[in-house]
Amino acid sequence: ELKVEQNPLFLSMQEGKNYTIYCNYSTTSDRLYWYRQDPGKSLESLFVLLSNGAVKQEGRLMASLDTKARLSTLHITAAVHDLSATYFCAVSSGTYKYIFGTGTRLKVLA
Amino acid sequence: NAGVTQTPKFQVLKTGQSMTLQCAQDMNHEYMSWYRQDPGMGLRLIHYSVGAGITDQGEVPNGYNVSRSTTEDFPLRLLSAAPSQTSVYFCASSPLGGGYSYEQYFGPGTRLTVT
Repeated sequence: ELKVEQNPLFLSMQEGKNYTIYCNYSTTSDRLYWYRQDPGKSLESLFVLLSNGAVKQEGRLMASLDTKARLSTLHITAAVHDLSATYFCAVSSGTYKYIFGTGTRLKVLA
Repeated sequence: NAGVTQTPKFQVLKTGQSMTLQCAQDMNHEYMSWYRQDPGMGLRLIHYSVGAGITDQGEVPNGYNVSRSTTEDFPLRLLSAAPSQTSVYFCASSPLGGGYSYEQYFGPGTRLTVT
């Protein structure tokens, strides 16, 4: 059974600081997705990582995938208040099923 | 493009009532899915479809039915609502290619309360 764990679950950080969110999964998968959710809103796709060693960057966010370690990271560089949200990773279980992590609630303090 | 739309936005049901949550997309995506989101549990897949006439169960399918008669629509039916089905429901869609789906586009959600 595929399980996906994110840590930390909650993260409060100062503006301008760097931090990393971790996503571990329990069985082999070569596709990993990161989503963002603002409070009371829907989910928005951030990154799709399709192969071992994949790295993608958008603004202050960078995601990477290590399929051998079954680990993805979402790195935040010089955080700003607008990045405050909940971040989810999701892993495919079989071709069309997705298992989501429980989410990391990020709060960036001014 | 309207993207993925869901109706209603809010719904209150009494235990034992039935209802259908509507989901439609105008992006011609083959893949559509339903999730429920509960506090502290992330999103859990209820049912999904890879095309008209093709549906399959996800992680938590009990108490829910789906059908897919067109590419655009993917309704979710609750036959006999229970308080445990109180949740926020999201519908999503994505294109398919290479044997897998790409990132999903999510609808705005339906907040359902069962009393």
